[in-house]
Amino acid sequence: AQSVTQLGSHVSVSEGALVLLRCNYSSSVPPYLFWYVQYPNQGLQLLLKYTTGATLVKGINGFEAEFKKSETSFHLTKPSAHMSDAAEYFCAVTLSGAGSYQLTFGKGTKLSVIP
Amino acid sequence: ETGVTQTPRHLVMGMTNKKSLKCEQHLGHNAMYWYKQSAKKPLELMFVYNFKEQTENNSVPSRFSPECPNSSHLFLHLHTLQPEDSALYLCASSQDQPTNEKLFFGSGTQLSVL
Repeated sequence: AQSVTQLGSHVSVSEGALVLLRCNYSSSVPPYLFWYVQYPNQGLQLLLKYTTGATLVKGINGFEAEFKKSETSFHLTKPSAHMSDAAEYFCAVTLSGAGSYQLTFGKGTKLSVIP
Repeated sequence: ETGVTQTPRHLVMGMTNKKSLKCEQHLGHNAMYWYKQSAKKPLELMFVYNFKEQTENNSVPSRFSPECPNSSHLFLHLHTLQPEDSALYLCASSQDQPTNEKLFFGSGTQLSVL
């Protein structure tokens, strides 16, 4: 089984400041990890994902995340926040290997960007 | 626009009503999903269909009944719902198995049960 914990249901940053959204996971086998973003009144969109290979993953809109196995973490960062980044962000994990449909999501972190 | 369309966007229904949610994708994907999104809770996977066959049912109450007539369309039939069923219902699709696949989500149907 796998699980995801997102620390902080609400994060506020100033425009231009660093964005750091935390995600820790638990998984019995090597995980695949995802970050999705949900803008108001919309469905979720994939920001980035880690499956294998390079542990620093770059996504859309300037976001990136680093898979740290020793810390069981997959934190999302962006060097400089824009107003358009205000949204809810979801970390998700699934198990590597064929046959799994269970993409487990965290509870989400709502990001506010202050002008 | 993600290529996954859900209708209606909003739905208000009484506990004795019967209604259906519709999802349509023209991405050529083979797998389709229903998720429930409630406030302050993680997204809950409800049902998965792969090549029109149901492959997952996560202990969903029988008052929710899915239907997948073809790989492009997915329905969620609702009857005798409870107020706690009020939530955003999201449809998603992926090419095949989602283990490392990107999910494409619709905008959801916001359901209110009175």
